[in-house]
Amino acid sequence: AQSVSQHNHHVILSEAASLELGCNYSYGGTVNLFWYVQYPGQHLQLLLKYFSGDPLVKGIKGFEAEFIKSKFSFNLRKPSVQWSDTAEYFCAVLPTGRRALTFGSGTRLQVQP
Amino acid sequence: EPEVTQTPSHQVTQMGQEVILRCVPISNHLYFYWYRQILGQKVEFLVSFYNNEISEKSEIFDDQFSVERPDGSNFTLKIRSTKLEDSAMYFCASSDERNEQFFGPGTRLTVL
Repeated sequence: AQSVSQHNHHVILSEAASLELGCNYSYGGTVNLFWYVQYPGQHLQLLLKYFSGDPLVKGIKGFEAEFIKSKFSFNLRKPSVQWSDTAEYFCAVLPTGRRALTFGSGTRLQVQP
Repeated sequence: EPEVTQTPSHQVTQMGQEVILRCVPISNHLYFYWYRQILGQKVEFLVSFYNNEISEKSEIFDDQFSVERPDGSNFTLKIRSTKLEDSAMYFCASSDERNEQFFGPGTRLTVL
């Protein structure tokens, strides 16, 4: 069975700092990869996705993620965070041909003004 | 922008009672899902539904759970006899064939 690890449980940054959130998965086959964000009091929203092609994917609000197949990683990055990026971020993996997303435990990002 | 809606936002029930959680998926989506998140734990997949039948389910989705699409717009999750450990946030999601799953705001189920 597949699994997803998010090593950073709680990250505190100042505005304008750069962000990188780690995500590693374990699965032997091909996968689709996702980052979801949950702002305080709101529901899970899709931030970005990787299905195939260019391993560097860009999402909404200036976020990007890079799929490194050899490392089974899909790290989320943003060059300069804003206070409004304060949220919980979830990495998820979906084996090709399946429908069940497997989520990581989430990383709570707190951006201080 | 179309969105998934869920009702109620919070449901409190007694142990052993039946609950039905309701969802209205995005109108042109054909795949529907239920996930749950127990407080402090990961979001876990329960079931996926397509073409009026279950296409995939997890070990959690045992005989006390059932899903239904009773009409053209609603998608429901029924828990027949609730247990304390069923207390969780239940999320509905829907997707088209590309499998980008869009989530609803969730129903917080509290079993007393």
